[in-house]
Amino acid sequence: NAGVMQNPRHLVRRRGQEARLRCSPMKGHSHVYWYRQLPEEGLKFMVYLQKENIIDESGMPKERFSAEFPKEGPSILRIQQVVRGDSAAYFCASSPIGDGYTFGSGTRLTVV
Amino acid sequence: GENVEQHPSTLSVQEGDSAVIKCTYSDSASNYFPWYKQELGKRPQLIIDIRSNVGEKKDQRIAVTLNKTAKHFSLHITETQPEDSAVYFCAASTSGTYKYIFGTGTRLKVLA
Repeated sequence: NAGVMQNPRHLVRRRGQEARLRCSPMKGHSHVYWYRQLPEEGLKFMVYLQKENIIDESGMPKERFSAEFPKEGPSILRIQQVVRGDSAAYFCASSPIGDGYTFGSGTRLTVV
Repeated sequence: GENVEQHPSTLSVQEGDSAVIKCTYSDSASNYFPWYKQELGKRPQLIIDIRSNVGEKKDQRIAVTLNKTAKHFSLHITETQPEDSAVYFCAASTSGTYKYIFGTGTRLKVLA
C-alpha cells in the first residue's frame, strides 16, 4: 500500500499565480481531508470530501480556495491568486470510515 | 467554538525519564482523541488514540488517559529515548463530523 500520496512536495508560486495541490488517498479510502499548517503551529481543518461531494468546507477561506475529489483521479486543492499568507504546509489525509486518519507527506507552498 | 488547548508547548526531559503532555477540549460531544507525532519536515503520524468509552489505553511505552468529566486527556511516554524527540499533537473529534480539532503542539526534546 503506497499510503497517501501528495504532490508536489514543494511548490513555489509568485504572488497572483495559482497553486494546485494533489492528493491520492490510500487504496480503499473514500474520505479525504485537507489541513493547513502554518510554521510553528498546529494543523487547521480546511475541508472534508468524499467522491464527488464536499461534506464539510467550514475551514476553507471564502475566497480563492476550492477543493474537489472527482470520481476519477486525485483530490485537488486549488488556491487562486496566491498571497504571501498562503505560504504553509498543506496536508491531505484519508480514511476508510472517518476516524483514524493517515496523513500524506504534505505540500510545502512558498509564495514569493 | 470548538477548541483544544495543549500544554506544555515545549518539554525537555532526560533520556529514560517520563514525559506527560496534557490537552483540554471544549466540545462535550467529542468522542475520539488521537495523538500524532511529527518529526521535522515530515508527516504527522498517528501513535495512539482513545475513544470516549475507554478511560485509558496503553501501547508499549505510550499511554493515553481520558477524563470525560473534566474534558481532558493526556499522553504519557515512559522510558523516553532520543528518537522520541518530535512535536506531538493532540486532537479531538466528534463522530459524524470527522473533523479533527488539533492542539497547538508540544515540542519534546529528549536529552541524551
